[in-house]
Amino acid sequence: EPEVTQTPSHQVTQMGQEVILRCVPISNHLYFYWYRQILGQKVEFLVSFYNNEISEKSEIFDDQFSVERPDGSNFTLKIRSTKLEDSAMYFCASILDRDNQPQHFGDGTRLSIL
Amino acid sequence: GQNIDQPTEMTATEGAIVQINCTYQTSGFNGLFWYQQHAGEAPTFLSYNVLDGLEEKGRFSSFLSRSKGYSYLLLKELQMKDSASYLCAVRDINQGGKLIFGQGTELSVKP
Repeated sequence: EPEVTQTPSHQVTQMGQEVILRCVPISNHLYFYWYRQILGQKVEFLVSFYNNEISEKSEIFDDQFSVERPDGSNFTLKIRSTKLEDSAMYFCASILDRDNQPQHFGDGTRLSIL
Repeated sequence: GQNIDQPTEMTATEGAIVQINCTYQTSGFNGLFWYQQHAGEAPTFLSYNVLDGLEEKGRFSSFLSRSKGYSYLLLKELQMKDSASYLCAVRDINQGGKLIFGQGTELSVKP
């Protein structure tokens, strides 16, 4: 069964550095999402992306965050200047039909900011 | 606003049945989803309801009442491997169809 894949599985970065998290959604899917989960807390929506543009973003997704689909397969989340509070698991999800199917999640990237 | 409530933790016995409840209040509703999450792993999809009623998938069933803003996940013939966090999530009807998650219910299955 096709899967959403994310790399790296674990990223350790110094505070203030830029980080790029990568996702390869399921190949025919059209809607893409990033969520994050701080340790011990609930999964939180960050941003949704459709037709090469952001369709919705949360309050968390401030100017330090950006997303891109540079080619037909990758979907990236960039954090420009990381903060300690960005330490979390970041999950990518994709879906073919927004209204009639569940979102499929990748295995996540554990981001640790030192 | 949007609010999703589920119990923080539950304990059940191997072989038994457990029901995990979820209540929600959202400005726009387009489906309720249940995910299972083991510690340190990604959520995995279990079941979803768009219309009222019961959806059955093997040992897992999910029920929805839209008028009451209420859902439950029923797990039958519990196994030790069912010990995990169970996440209730509502899909927003607007824009990108984001999922809004509850805090999760930590289920411990005891022998």
